[in-house]
Amino acid sequence: ETGVTQSPTHLIKTRGQQVTLRCSSQSGHNTVSWYQQALGQGPQFIFQYYREEENGRGNFPPRFSGLQFPNYSSELNVNALELDDSALYLCASSSPRGVPEAFFGQGTRLTVV
Amino acid sequence: EDQVTQSPEALRLQEGESSSLNCSYTVSGLRGLFWYRQDPGKGPEFLFTLYSAGEEKEKERLKATLTKKESFLHITAPKPEDSATYLCAVQLGSSNTGKLIFGQGTTLQVKP
Repeated sequence: ETGVTQSPTHLIKTRGQQVTLRCSSQSGHNTVSWYQQALGQGPQFIFQYYREEENGRGNFPPRFSGLQFPNYSSELNVNALELDDSALYLCASSSPRGVPEAFFGQGTRLTVV
Repeated sequence: EDQVTQSPEALRLQEGESSSLNCSYTVSGLRGLFWYRQDPGKGPEFLFTLYSAGEEKEKERLKATLTKKESFLHITAPKPEDSATYLCAVQLGSSNTGKLIFGQGTTLQVKP
């Protein structure tokens, strides 16, 4: 069982609202990545954080932002929610010497209505 | 454009009926190819990483192979508990992050 935990597991928000999703990485892992997975699709890379700095970003607008804290946990913030933001949001953690994206959390299912 | 394509999209097998899933990729430079299993409503579970053409890895009824253009996930004598979506992903050689580019997945159903 992986040590990556995400909260909440499910969330329903209204279009235009803001949401914060949380991720606790596996012990010893200082790199956290966030992915968006629409229904029936593979995950898409949003961004990665390494030692509290953004270390790469996918093709997502600036209203998707993140943070990483000194304990390596992370947040994903999405402003001005749109209906198309409805998806499973996944967090993955890794260590510099380990297999990248080896451990995913169970995800947060976000529904925007 | 870097791209990963999996086929078939869905596969139904009888218990014990062996088959293979395909992952073809078009990328500028491959650092590694990854296979994951994903159960409904859950996060992907890491299975294998392959780094060079000709490499093979096995785990229970699963064997992954890699060529210069594609990877196969062979499932030998599958059981109903092997039913899941199998995701393939690539990490680019040019990437300074662990960013993975995923295919859309193959949903496998194994009937008893």
